[in-house]
Amino acid sequence: SAVISQKPSRDICQRGTSLTIQCQVDSQVTMMFWYRQQPGQSLTLIATANQGSEATYESGFVIDKFPISRPNLTFSTLTVSNMSPEDSSIYLCSVLPGLGLNEQYFGPGTRLTVT
Amino acid sequence: AQTVTQSQPEMSVQEAETVTLSCTYDTSESDYYLFWYKQPPSRQMILVIRQEAYKQQNATENRFSVNFQKAAKSFSLKISDSQLGDAAMYFCAYRSALGTALIFGKGTTLSVSS
Repeated sequence: SAVISQKPSRDICQRGTSLTIQCQVDSQVTMMFWYRQQPGQSLTLIATANQGSEATYESGFVIDKFPISRPNLTFSTLTVSNMSPEDSSIYLCSVLPGLGLNEQYFGPGTRLTVT
Repeated sequence: AQTVTQSQPEMSVQEAETVTLSCTYDTSESDYYLFWYKQPPSRQMILVIRQEAYKQQNATENRFSVNFQKAAKSFSLKISDSQLGDAAMYFCAYRSALGTALIFGKGTTLSVSS
């Protein structure tokens, strides 16, 4: 199993500013992901965080808006840049310790409100 | 690209009764994995059950079971003897055998009444 912590758990930010969300895992994991969950909606994959290289972004998400770092196998950050009210969402870090039928674990999420 | 469809935005069931949540998916791959996750109001995602596509036998975990129909690309979840604690949002999810991230359906909100 994997235990994931995220900081901050919630924040209220002004438009035009940036927020960096941290994700820490209690063990080394193969893959780390960032998801966005808008209120009452499903989880949408933002990107796969790759250790030591640029993240792989899904369609509709770009590095300038959501820069991601992954310096090692247990830690990653997601920055939400130049925020607007449309960025108000829950951001979840997720990890996959191994391939195949392994469970993908999720952090508790960061609730972001942009005013 | 793979897609997951949950056609029931909301479902309700009485305690001790049985409810089935529907899920269909679209993929051109032959090897993949399917999952049901539960998200209670606490927001924590909890794995309910998982299924390997090449296994014909339907997965079962206590009160939870699936009806996996590979040809029809259908993966429904049956909850037996429903409990108040089962109330949550349920997401059907797909993962390629290549090990990419989960792709989720839109979710079904399940309410349980006593």
